Amino acid sequence: AQKVTQAQTEISVVEKEDVTLDCVYETRDTTYYLFWYKQPPSGELVFLIRRNSFDEQNEISGRYSWNFQKSTSSFNFTITASQVVDSAVYFCALSEATSGSRLTFGEGTQLTVNP
Amino acid sequence: DAGVIQSPRHEVTEMGQEVTLRCKPISGHDYLFWYRQTMMRGLELLIYFNNNVPIDDSGMPEDRFSAKMPNASFSTLKIQPSEPRDSAVYFCASSFSPSGRIGELFFGEGSRLTVL
Repeated sequence: AQKVTQAQTEISVVEKEDVTLDCVYETRDTTYYLFWYKQPPSGELVFLIRRNSFDEQNEISGRYSWNFQKSTSSFNFTITASQVVDSAVYFCALSEATSGSRLTFGEGTQLTVNP
Repeated sequence: DAGVIQSPRHEVTEMGQEVTLRCKPISGHDYLFWYRQTMMRGLELLIYFNNNVPIDDSGMPEDRFSAKMPNASFSTLKIQPSEPRDSAVYFCASSFSPSGRIGELFFGEGSRLTVL
């Protein structure tokens, strides 16, 4: 069975601090996809990134970066120089190749960035 | 382009009443998902459709819940009769299936349901 764990329920930082959101996953499949979604106060979830299990290269997009380590079954998300607009709930998710776009979400991490 | 459109945004009803939530997916998308979000259980997949056909409804909690997708541009999630434990935010999401877009779901703003 697949499972995603986000142990950090809430994180509070001051603007311009760097912050890392942790994600640990479980799956028996060798082919799978990992995702991060953002849920701002307006409510709708917004797709941020997808990685497949064969691509462990870290990725950077502006102030966002993702660290995928199969050895520890982790897919962590770092926001550099956080801003108030980054305040949101962030979800990590997993999809096994056999289940296509069927995502299993973690519990979410509420990030609050204070001015 | 319009995103996923859900209605109503908010619904307050009394226990035992029928509730119908509606969703219009993004044009051209071939997958449609219904998720439920609660504090206790997080985001749960209830059911999803591919080309209007239900593929997996194993997440539908009880027979009180039913979902339909009569055409590519409309889906409903119905709860009859509703109970207080059904109170949640219900999200509809759609996606386009090419392998390069797997898991890239587009979510609506959700329908917040309160059952008194």
